[in-house]
Amino acid sequence: SQTIHQWPATLVQPVGSPLSLECTVEGTSNPNLYWYRQAAGRGLQLLFYSVGIGQISSEVPQNLSASRPQDRQFILSSKKLLLSDSGFYLCAWSVDRWNYGYTFGSGTRLTVV
Amino acid sequence: GESVGLHLPTLSVQEGDNSIINCAYSNSASDYFIWYKQESGKGPQFIIDIRSNMDKRQGQRVTVLLNKTVKHLSLQIAATQPGDSAVYFCAANSGGGADGLTFGKGTHLIIQP
Repeated sequence: SQTIHQWPATLVQPVGSPLSLECTVEGTSNPNLYWYRQAAGRGLQLLFYSVGIGQISSEVPQNLSASRPQDRQFILSSKKLLLSDSGFYLCAWSVDRWNYGYTFGSGTRLTVV
Repeated sequence: GESVGLHLPTLSVQEGDNSIINCAYSNSASDYFIWYKQESGKGPQFIIDIRSNMDKRQGQRVTVLLNKTVKHLSLQIAATQPGDSAVYFCAANSGGGADGLTFGKGTHLIIQP
């Protein structure tokens, strides 16, 4: 069966520090991968998605970047965190973007101080 | 593009009663719909999905109804239990468009003892 792992679960980082969140999927090949951010009381905001290794699409301009160095690995990064980067970050995977549900990881609570 | 919205941000029900959570979507071409459950501090969890060739689909204690005429989707939870307390999201695809799934903002289901 397929599983998705996301870490760390919580992270407190100072303003201006770098960020690296990692997500890996097991039990499937060539998944579509996604990074979402969820602010308190708000919906899911799609940040990045990837349909293959090295293929990254950005949905919103921001202080973040994403990379997919391996088929089942998706990394969310920042060189310098801002206070506004605080939030709940979710990684997800799917068979395709339109016809199947997305399976989410357990999330990372990022607090920038 | 697609927009997806839930009718109520909060729904309070008595334990043992049935719960109905509603959702509206805007794109008449959407043909795949999903309901997710998100408990506090966790990632969204797939509950049930439905495709546009169906009006109703049942799972364990849950039923999804789709009314394509008015672009409305509902999730019914039978005999609500304390463990059902969570935020519920609906999501819809764009029916062959370039966008992936669009998520609603969520309804917080509160179970009264």
